[in-house]
Amino acid sequence: AQKITQTQPGMFVQEKEAVTLDCTYDTSDQSYGLFWYKQPSSGEMIFLIYQGSYDEQNATEGRYSLNFQKARKSANLVISASQLGDSAMYFCASQPYGGATNKLIFGTGTLLAVQP
Amino acid sequence: DTGVSQDPRHKITKRGQNVTFRCDPISEHNRLYWYRQTLGQGPEFLTYFQNEAQLEKSRLLSDRFSAERPKGSFSTLEIQRTEQGDSAMYLCASSPSETRRVIHFGPGTRLLVL
Repeated sequence: AQKITQTQPGMFVQEKEAVTLDCTYDTSDQSYGLFWYKQPSSGEMIFLIYQGSYDEQNATEGRYSLNFQKARKSANLVISASQLGDSAMYFCASQPYGGATNKLIFGTGTLLAVQP
Repeated sequence: DTGVSQDPRHKITKRGQNVTFRCDPISEHNRLYWYRQTLGQGPEFLTYFQNEAQLEKSRLLSDRFSAERPKGSFSTLEIQRTEQGDSAMYLCASSPSETRRVIHFGPGTRLLVL
């Protein structure tokens, strides 16, 4: 079974600075996807970025990039030039491919607070 | 192109009552998921549909919970004889069946059982 670990319950970052949110995963699957979602106080889960386990390059989406280190089983999210609107909960998730299940497994999340 | 929609957005009910939530996935997404999220936790998987077939159910889905997806379009999640422990955010998500496809979530239904 897959497991996602997010060791940072909360973090502060100054506006316009970069921040890294940690995520490690535990899986025996050979093929899988890794996702990051943002959840503001409104509750909606907003997709940010995706990395496939066989992707050779790290994924980037605007100010978001995913630092994928397969051997270490880590998939850290980097947010560059933080904005006040980035304050939210951030969840890392994984999805196995090719097996009997297709569910996303989530970590416990990191609460990010961007300070002016 | 509309996203995943859920109705209602909020529901307050008394213990012992039945409630039903609806989810409309993104059109042509044949995979549909239900998740439950309690305060301070990540979403927990409840069940998964591929078209109209319910292919996977979590042990969290007790006998009081039932989900359907008739005709492989919208889905409903019913909770019978609600308990205070059922209070949570119920999230619906959908995706195409191919791998490497993003799973998109709806805004959720926040349930409070008094």
